[in-house]
Amino acid sequence: AQRVTQPEKLLSVFKGAPVELKCNYSYSGSPELFWYVQYSRQRLQLLLRHISRESIKGFTADLNKGETSFHLKKPFAQEEDSAMYYCALTSGGFKTIFGAGTRLFVKA
Amino acid sequence: EAQVTQNPRYLITVTGKKLTVTCSQNMNHEYMSWYRQDPGLGLRQIYYSMNVEVTDKGDVPEGYKVSRKEKRNFPLILESPSPNQTSLYFCASSLDFRTAINYGYTFGSGTRLTVV
Repeated sequence: AQRVTQPEKLLSVFKGAPVELKCNYSYSGSPELFWYVQYSRQRLQLLLRHISRESIKGFTADLNKGETSFHLKKPFAQEEDSAMYYCALTSGGFKTIFGAGTRLFVKA
Repeated sequence: EAQVTQNPRYLITVTGKKLTVTCSQNMNHEYMSWYRQDPGLGLRQIYYSMNVEVTDKGDVPEGYKVSRKEKRNFPLILESPSPNQTSLYFCASSLDFRTAINYGYTFGSGTRLTVV
């Protein structure tokens, strides 16, 4: 069965510290993985996708098929990064499964 | 402005009283979907639609109905709401499913529903 696991409900770091939001997935095929972000009082929006291998707002995520992980990383967290982050997996079955989310809190 | 519009933003209703949450997109998107967001559970897919008159169940379809009579609209219908359907609901769309894989979804601003 397809599953996306985000083991941390809350992650609190100081400004300037590195941050890593963990995401593990379970899927027998070749997954399409995304990170979405939801800032306070805003709608959910796409942050980045694994196929583009891009860096958005300083965040990167590498797909590790061996470890079935897609962790989101940023070397120096900023206060404006405080938000809810969701890892998502889209399969060929026309469904997208989201993890439970991790709330990132960046302290000044 | 290209967007997904949901109405209402907030709704409080009583058990058993039928309600409809509307979702409309102005981007000519074929793929539309409904999610509910609950603390600790994240977003769970209720129903999705690949195109007009083509809908299918997501992971938590019980107690919900949808229709897709025209491309721009994808209403979510609760025939007999119950308190366990109290949640934050999101509508999402994409040009098509292949675009969703490559570029993700456009989400609406959400509808907070409370059933008492």
